[in-house]
Amino acid sequence: DTGVSQNPRHKITKRGQNVTFRCDPISEHNRLYWYRQTLGQGPEFLTYFQNEAQLEKSRLLSDRFSAERPKGSFSTLEIQRTEQGDSAMYLCASSLAGYWELFFGSGTQLSVL
Amino acid sequence: SQQGEEDPQALSIQEGENATMNCSYKTSINNLQWYRQNSGRGLVHLILIRSNEREKHSGRLRVTLDTSKKSSSLLITASRAADTASYFCATDVGLYYTGANSKLTFGKGITLSVRP
Repeated sequence: DTGVSQNPRHKITKRGQNVTFRCDPISEHNRLYWYRQTLGQGPEFLTYFQNEAQLEKSRLLSDRFSAERPKGSFSTLEIQRTEQGDSAMYLCASSLAGYWELFFGSGTQLSVL
Repeated sequence: SQQGEEDPQALSIQEGENATMNCSYKTSINNLQWYRQNSGRGLVHLILIRSNEREKHSGRLRVTLDTSKKSSSLLITASRAADTASYFCATDVGLYYTGANSKLTFGKGITLSVRP
């Protein structure tokens, strides 16, 4: 696999439920990013990892959001007690430290009913 | 908040014509990148221009950067129907000496439609 893989592609959930998304970056990339994109907007930064360390978190990332990258490979993003305002496309990207280009996955579209 | 603002918001042209898209930003940057997004998909990197560069070419793409005006333009020459997509500029204000790319800030995007 030569690209960033995200699962699931679509997730429909009811308000108040917890959801978890997975991202598998390009294998040699040590940096992994999560972005959120709503309709008609550009992606907004949520958080990023270098290897297993979470180096920065956006103020957009409330306490209901948590991201992990336990072994410096794949990452998970969990949203607890989902709200309708969480409905968005969640994008994962990866890169090599020191290189500027981000490689994006196809995203997970979350719909909270 | 979004650093970059693209202009126009939407652009419709005939196949074969050139498409010019503009981006303005607010703070000093290390570099500026352009990405393309097809409907419902992730973003694809197109081209990067560093803050000390003024113009760069890649195939049918030409990007310019004017740091004094805090603006950039992307020109797609000889457009094709397959160029139909949303285009985003993204700026990096990270720590240059670490090669950091910690937080790209994207604009709202330009929707380009190329009519066959």
